[in-house]
Amino acid sequence: AQSVTQPDIHITVSEGASLELRCNYSYGATPYLFWYVQSPGQGLQLLLKYFSGDTLVQGIKGFEAEFKRSQSSFNLRKPSVHWSDAAEYFCVFKSGANNLFFGTGTRLTVIP
Amino acid sequence: EAQVTQNPRYLITVTGKKLTVTCSQNMNHEYMSWYRQDPGLGLRQIYYSMNVEVTDKGDVPEGYKVSRKEKRNFPLILESPSPNQTSLYFCASSSDPFGSGGEYGYTFGSGTRLTVV
Repeated sequence: AQSVTQPDIHITVSEGASLELRCNYSYGATPYLFWYVQSPGQGLQLLLKYFSGDTLVQGIKGFEAEFKRSQSSFNLRKPSVHWSDAAEYFCVFKSGANNLFFGTGTRLTVIP
Repeated sequence: EAQVTQNPRYLITVTGKKLTVTCSQNMNHEYMSWYRQDPGLGLRQIYYSMNVEVTDKGDVPEGYKVSRKEKRNFPLILESPSPNQTSLYFCASSSDPFGSGGEYGYTFGSGTRLTVV
């Protein structure tokens, strides 16, 4: 079955610390992978996406993600978190069919 | 500005009273889709449309209808709303439904928070 898993429901980090949000997918082929961010009361904004090629993808706001086929993972990272990064993050994958599979989200809290 | 516009942003209604949530995009996208977001469940697809007059069910279509008479508009219709349809709804569009989601992925609206009492 096709699915995407974000094992961490809530993560708290200190401002300036590094961040890694985990994402694992289940799919028989290489999917199209996305990370979206949702700030409180806002819609979803695309951070980055992976389709093929270089497995380390750079996105907006200083985020990056690495696709690891052997681990079926697409973890999101940021070297130094800012207070404005507090939000909910969704890992999303698109299979060959016309559907997006959303993870359940990881809520990020940033403490001073 | 390229965007997906949903209206209304907030809606409180009573059980059984028909309602429509509108969605409009100004990017000439062929693909449009509706999702509902519930705590702990992420976003789940309700319906999608690959072009004018072409719609199909997503994962949770029960209790919803859609139409795609024009390329830019994709309204979500609840003929007889029930409390279990209380949720946050998002409309999204993409220029490339078959492949990568287009250069900018999928563009989402700001959401409609619906409460059915």
